[in-house]
Amino acid sequence: AQRVTQPEKLLSVFKGAPVELKCNYSYSGSPELFWYVQYSRQRLQLLLRHISRESIKGFTADLNKGETSFHLKKPFAQEEDSAMYYCALSRVNQGGKLIFGQGTELSVKP
Amino acid sequence: EAGVTQSPTHLIKTRGQQATLRCSPISGHTSVYWYQQALGLGLQFLLWYDEGEERNRGNFPPRFSGRQFPNYSSELNVNALELEDSALYLCASSLARSGYTFGSGTRLTVV
Repeated sequence: AQRVTQPEKLLSVFKGAPVELKCNYSYSGSPELFWYVQYSRQRLQLLLRHISRESIKGFTADLNKGETSFHLKKPFAQEEDSAMYYCALSRVNQGGKLIFGQGTELSVKP
Repeated sequence: EAGVTQSPTHLIKTRGQQATLRCSPISGHTSVYWYQQALGLGLQFLLWYDEGEERNRGNFPPRFSGRQFPNYSSELNVNALELEDSALYLCASSLARSGYTFGSGTRLTVV
């Protein structure tokens, strides 16, 4: 069965500290992994996708097929990073539904 | 370019009634997805429409249904409303093989 697990409901760090939001998945085929972010009072938006291998707002995520993980990292957290983060999975190049994790709320304290 | 628009923003219904939620995708996007975001349950996949056809359905009872119109806009209908249907309903659109763009959602409250 397809499943995305985000083990932390809440992650609280101080400004300038490194951040790692964990995401593990189970999927029998070739997955495409995404991170979505929802800032307060804003709509859910795409942060990054693994096939792009890009860094957005200082965040990066590497797909580790051996560990079936797609953790989101940022070396120095900023207060404006405080938001809800969702990891999601879909089939590669086939569109279709996204399977979301439960989300991790990141709180960056000054 | 207009984003994904959903209406109404808020909807209050009583138990047993029917609710109709609407979604207009980004121009040119042919796929529309519906998700339920209930408190503490994350985003649960409801329905996927593409080119007017239902392509996939999540684990929801048949009283959750919908359709996609020739202009690719979509409706989600929830019949015989129950208290636990209270949630934020999100619509997203995409063009084949591209990422999703989400709307702001419709907050449905069943009393």
